[in-house]
Amino acid sequence: GAVVSQHPSWVICKSGTSVKIECRSLDFQATTMFWYRQFPKQSLMLMATSNEGSKATYEQGVEKDKFLINHASLTLSTLTVTSAHPEDSSFYICSVFAGEVWNEQFFGPGTRLTVL
Amino acid sequence: SQQGEEDPQALSIQEGENATMNCSYKTSINNLQWYRQNSGRGLVHLILIRSNEREKHSGRLRVTLDTSKKSSSLLITASRAADTASYFCATDPHNTDKLIFGTGTRLQVFP
Repeated sequence: GAVVSQHPSWVICKSGTSVKIECRSLDFQATTMFWYRQFPKQSLMLMATSNEGSKATYEQGVEKDKFLINHASLTLSTLTVTSAHPEDSSFYICSVFAGEVWNEQFFGPGTRLTVL
Repeated sequence: SQQGEEDPQALSIQEGENATMNCSYKTSINNLQWYRQNSGRGLVHLILIRSNEREKHSGRLRVTLDTSKKSSSLLITASRAADTASYFCATDPHNTDKLIFGTGTRLQVFP
């Protein structure tokens, strides 16, 4: 399957700053990636679909100006949490859609964001 | 919300016992998958069952799917302490590439 990495694995920042999280598909060219958010002891909630070369598609209730997604290449998608606040503290997980080949998504290890 | 529901929310058993988790979902699907997540870690894909399949096995795992009831179950036989984790079902609704996750079951296996 596809190997997916995320960077950083954890980040602590002050309220009001912006944080960029990278998701890389190491061995698969991904036209579609997904971003999820997971609060403690809760399930994964899909935030947006990242499409290479075009605008991301956001799920209902997710602020596109707050969570900026850029998918400029087939191996990299970035999620920028702008003007982060403590309520944005969460575990952010990306996945690569490899449906054409393996009919499944492959997940990154996640990034834990803590906003002070 | 499209999110599926799982029960029980939490399950505690002794090593050697079987663990059964149930998942219900809301829309027509192409496939249903089960994932495992250790605390604070990423997801591990366990098994995929297609909408035209009723049962699937992989090692100590047995998954069933009833599309008429929109439900699935995951059975872990002869559980081990290392099986302690959260387990999530995930469905991909028709005509989308998205995955919709269930609420999850936290499994604790005591040695």
